[in-house]
Amino acid sequence: EAGVAQSPRYKIIEKRQSVAFWCNPISGHATLYWYQQILGQGPKLLIQFQNNGVVDDSQLPKDRFSAERLKGVDSTLKIQPAKLEDSAVYLCASSLDRDEQFFGPGTRLTVL
Amino acid sequence: AQSVTQPDIHITVSEGASLELRCNYSYGATPYLFWYVQSPGQGLQLLLKYFSGDTLVQGIKGFEAEFKRSQSSFNLRKPSVHWSDAAEYFCAVGSYNNNDMRFGAGTRLTVKP
Repeated sequence: EAGVAQSPRYKIIEKRQSVAFWCNPISGHATLYWYQQILGQGPKLLIQFQNNGVVDDSQLPKDRFSAERLKGVDSTLKIQPAKLEDSAVYLCASSLDRDEQFFGPGTRLTVL
Repeated sequence: AQSVTQPDIHITVSEGASLELRCNYSYGATPYLFWYVQSPGQGLQLLLKYFSGDTLVQGIKGFEAEFKRSQSSFNLRKPSVHWSDAAEYFCAVGSYNNNDMRFGAGTRLTVKP
């Protein structure tokens, strides 16, 4: 079966610009996660969706980050405006139930 | 809230030697514990998981981990390391209710020929 797809794989932007990442989970997976992984650290959960509803966004910086999951399938994560400290790899994961999360390859964001 | 500590930032072992990566967790209820591996430029791949039952868990690629509730630990082991095992290893703890996983900072494994 196809894995979790993410695009773009790399993005370089200037600070104060906006950027969007896209994620397509494994078919049939109801739960979708976005993680931020700063260099040298473990992934940090930003937001968790169950179908198209938000389960947990307690660690999402809502003043600049937003995410949506239309129709309970694909998801986009947006940053507007970006700051230098947003430079990180953004990982998307999906799971069928309360079990294993399958991760995509990530999008590496560099903010200059 | 749950948290994970991986005390070793970087470990170097010789090929063929045994390996143990340490993981300590903090969680008020029964933890769901995971070990993931991340190769450069890749996403995370699940090595093994513990939900309940036998405290010695077998995973893929010859890895195993032992859950010790009294020590709040879930250490990862492999009897003989291969050069292809060089990667970053992450321990994570989650809860059943919301599947919210918290990751440790990771341990980078280098394998010497």
